[in-house]
Amino acid sequence: GQQVMQIPQYQHVQEGEDFTTYCNSSTTLSNIQWYKQRPGGHPVFLIQLVKSGEVKKQKRLTFQFGEAKKNSSLHITATQTTDVGTYFCARRGAGSYQLTFGKGTKLSVIP
Amino acid sequence: NAGVTQTPKFQVLKTGQSMTLQCAQDMNHEYMSWYRQDPGMGLRLIHYSVGAGITDQGEVPNGYNVSRSTTEDFPLRLLSAAPSQTSVYFCASRITSRGGSNIQYFGAGTRLSVL
Repeated sequence: GQQVMQIPQYQHVQEGEDFTTYCNSSTTLSNIQWYKQRPGGHPVFLIQLVKSGEVKKQKRLTFQFGEAKKNSSLHITATQTTDVGTYFCARRGAGSYQLTFGKGTKLSVIP
Repeated sequence: NAGVTQTPKFQVLKTGQSMTLQCAQDMNHEYMSWYRQDPGMGLRLIHYSVGAGITDQGEVPNGYNVSRSTTEDFPLRLLSAAPSQTSVYFCASRITSRGGSNIQYFGAGTRLSVL
């Protein structure tokens, strides 16, 4: 499957600060998914974006899909210690069943 | 529903030993897959299946075999374990039909060490 690049690889923030992770592709994405993995846990689905320019919110989390459908972002407002974990984006190639994951952004929150 | 169940949770093998990692799902999902997770490498696809009797290779298939005799089960076999296969293994499943939610559900993982 084609790769998606995630940046940054690591992010340390003070509790209450905002956090953003970015997912970029060299080719147009049909959709993008985001997952969260808590330390020692397994990935859990957060959201799927399909439409160009789409913005979805889940409480303090805001997900965006770029106008060109080549990038996406996850923004967390006022981080809490419960936000700690690794955030992955994932793409499914056109005509493919495979779900390809980015390498993830590991978020640490300093209380 | 139990979701996706993986066994065992932990395993230590010696180089050259073989073993099977079990995965079962009770959601009647057509698509099942195996990933390995290594530090800094994200989740890499090993093998996947789109239905009983159908399997295909992912990104890192060497050293692993799979089979899919039923919709529910998708075991992963290590034929001759090597230290490079030390990793955390995740099984996942989802619906593949058009209009399906596309949500992928993961098992709790198997932590494998090969000495």
